[in-house]
Amino acid sequence: DSGVTQTPKHLITATGQRVTLRCSPRSGDLSVYWYQQSLDQGLQFLIQYYNGEERAKGNILERFSAQQFPDLHSELNLSSLELGDSALYFCASSAQGSGTEAFFGQGTRLTVV
Amino acid sequence: GQQVMQIPQYQHVQEGEDFTTYCNSSTTLSNIQWYKQRPGGHPVFLIQLVKSGEVKKQKRLTFQFGEAKKNSSLHITATQTTDVGTYFCINAGNNRKLIWGLGTSLAVNP
Repeated sequence: DSGVTQTPKHLITATGQRVTLRCSPRSGDLSVYWYQQSLDQGLQFLIQYYNGEERAKGNILERFSAQQFPDLHSELNLSSLELGDSALYFCASSAQGSGTEAFFGQGTRLTVV
Repeated sequence: GQQVMQIPQYQHVQEGEDFTTYCNSSTTLSNIQWYKQRPGGHPVFLIQLVKSGEVKKQKRLTFQFGEAKKNSSLHITATQTTDVGTYFCINAGNNRKLIWGLGTSLAVNP
C-alpha cells in the first residue's frame, strides 16, 4: 500500500460528459502529480501541484483541469469527454518536488463510451 | 524537459537468464529514478541514482549511473517470473516536467 488513495477505481461515462477524479496523497506529502496512461503508452505527465499551487504543466488538454485543496488532496476534472480520453489516470505524491521518490495510487480506469 | 531514451522496448527471456535495460540521454542528468510497473499495477519506486559512476544493488538488481551522468542501466541477474513488468527510468532532477518514456517491458518464460 503506497498510502496514496484514488477514487473511484473505475468509471464508465458517455462522450461529452464531465468527471472528477480524486486523489489523497500520502500523509505529509506536499506534491501531487497526475498522469495519464493509455494502452501501450508510457505515462504522460499532466500536471503537478505543490502545497496548493500549480508547479508544472505537461501535456494537459484544455478540457482538463486540476486543483489541490488546503488539505492537500487533489482533483482532476475531465470535461467534454471523448473516446480517446479512455485511459488509466494515476495520481502520485512526493514529499517535495521532483527529485524525490514518488508514490503512486492504484489509478482510476476511465472508460468513455 | 529532458527525456531519456530507454532500450530495448521489449525483452523476452527464459527464467534464469539475465536481463539489462539501458537509459540514455544526450545531456547530463542530475539524477535518475527507476520504477517498476507490474501488469495491471501502478509504478513502484525502485531506486534513485545521484552520483557519477554510482552503483547500487538490491538483491538480484544492479543499478548503475554512468560516469558522465548521461546513461544508466538496470541489470537483473537470474530473472524470475516475479520480475515481469515494465521498468521505467526518468530524469527526476530539478526538471519539473517529469517526462516518462515507454519503458522496457520484460516478459519471463517459466
